[in-house]
Amino acid sequence: DSGVTQTPKHLITATGQRVTLRCSPRSGDLSVYWYQQSLDQGLQFLIQYYNGEERAKGNILERFSAQQFPDLHSELNLSSLELGDSALYFCASSEGANREQYFGPGTRLTVT
Amino acid sequence: ELKVEQNPLFLSMQEGKNYTIYCNYSTTSDRLYWYRQDPGKSLESLFVLLSNGAVKQEGRLMASLDTKARLSTLHITAAVHDLSATYFCAVKETSGSRLTFGEGTQLTVNP
Repeated sequence: DSGVTQTPKHLITATGQRVTLRCSPRSGDLSVYWYQQSLDQGLQFLIQYYNGEERAKGNILERFSAQQFPDLHSELNLSSLELGDSALYFCASSEGANREQYFGPGTRLTVT
Repeated sequence: ELKVEQNPLFLSMQEGKNYTIYCNYSTTSDRLYWYRQDPGKSLESLFVLLSNGAVKQEGRLMASLDTKARLSTLHITAAVHDLSATYFCAVKETSGSRLTFGEGTQLTVNP
């Protein structure tokens, strides 16, 4: 158990819908990262927050957005969902920007 | 843009045999990770390699890093069935914190 929690574990929704994935980092970790794992794209970095501020952006679609709240938990919002958004979404956290990242259990999103 | 390539992508081994997984990357990095992933599960950190010539061992797995060649290897000694999983290398660029992952090597150890 890494200490990173993600909810929900599974999510099934229809195309065109909007969902929110939630991540609670390890106690004391200020950085939160979101990654997407799909059969087509493999594991890819989406976005990073550090202490509430966006720090880096990767291959994140405009339909996706994220934020980190004052209590350091983070949410990833996915809208206008398409079949290709079906994937495993991981959150990771680290103490600082250059420290080891610890991965949560993931949220499996299925878009039908 | 940093590119990370692993090979082989699929590896079927007999128990008791040795094999090596290779991870090549395209730009300078200050750390490299190896992760294990079981089907449908999260990523389990195996090794963190920080410097040229670094070698780390845990059980039947040994990882090494050659920063000049931009190459890391994960060596499996006397494979056992429990090692069956997908192994990823991930590279952190010198600037920034994001990890760029290889495609993963799906390892199957047959009795």
